[in-house]
Amino acid sequence: DGGITQSPKYLFRKEGQNVTLSCEQNLNHDAMYWYRQDPGQGLRLIYYSQIVNDFQKGDIAEGYSVSREKKESFPLTVTSAQKNPTAFYLCASSTLYTSGTPYEQYFGPGTRLTVT
Amino acid sequence: AQSVTQLGSHVSVSEGALVLLRCNYSSSVPPYLFWYVQYPNQGLQLLLKYTTGATLVKGINGFEAEFKKSETSFHLTKPSAHMSDAAEYFCAVSDGFGNEKLTFGTGTRLTIIP
Repeated sequence: DGGITQSPKYLFRKEGQNVTLSCEQNLNHDAMYWYRQDPGQGLRLIYYSQIVNDFQKGDIAEGYSVSREKKESFPLTVTSAQKNPTAFYLCASSTLYTSGTPYEQYFGPGTRLTVT
Repeated sequence: AQSVTQLGSHVSVSEGALVLLRCNYSSSVPPYLFWYVQYPNQGLQLLLKYTTGATLVKGINGFEAEFKKSETSFHLTKPSAHMSDAAEYFCAVSDGFGNEKLTFGTGTRLTIIP
């Protein structure tokens, strides 16, 4: 079955440590996204990528970094510079606007990160 | 820039009653519009989408939405609520021509009263 996997489901880290969240998709989508979700605030875009080895900052990129070395993988690193990293993180993918098809986003199951 | 407003962060309806979740958008270009549903501690699942053509869009689980350009609205409805509809619902609008980014509303939590 095609889909998006995120691991782990729950992640606990000590303050000051960097942590990397995994996102893999087998939908053959070119575009991938990372969102942060906090109660009452909806989804906020952290980074997105339309092609391998290229990515753009979203609305709340400070304290985060990403890489896109393979089409199917888009890992997110939460660095120690992120002031309030505890949140639910969602990865998504879609076709490109230029594909001519409606580019709805498909979401993974999410990773809940707790930093203490 | 696009924006989405979801009126009512919490909505409660009785089982069997009409579900109405409101979404208004702002867009300088003809938008693509989406409704997603999220169950606790899970990712988002697409309910339905409007791109072009028919303004009344039918989705999964008996939901539908109507695109009204004059009112800049895309409200989600279901004639008869079921206990399994309890979840959070998000409206989203495309970011416009040239990229695939979506702007999401802040969500509406739907509670079903037995």
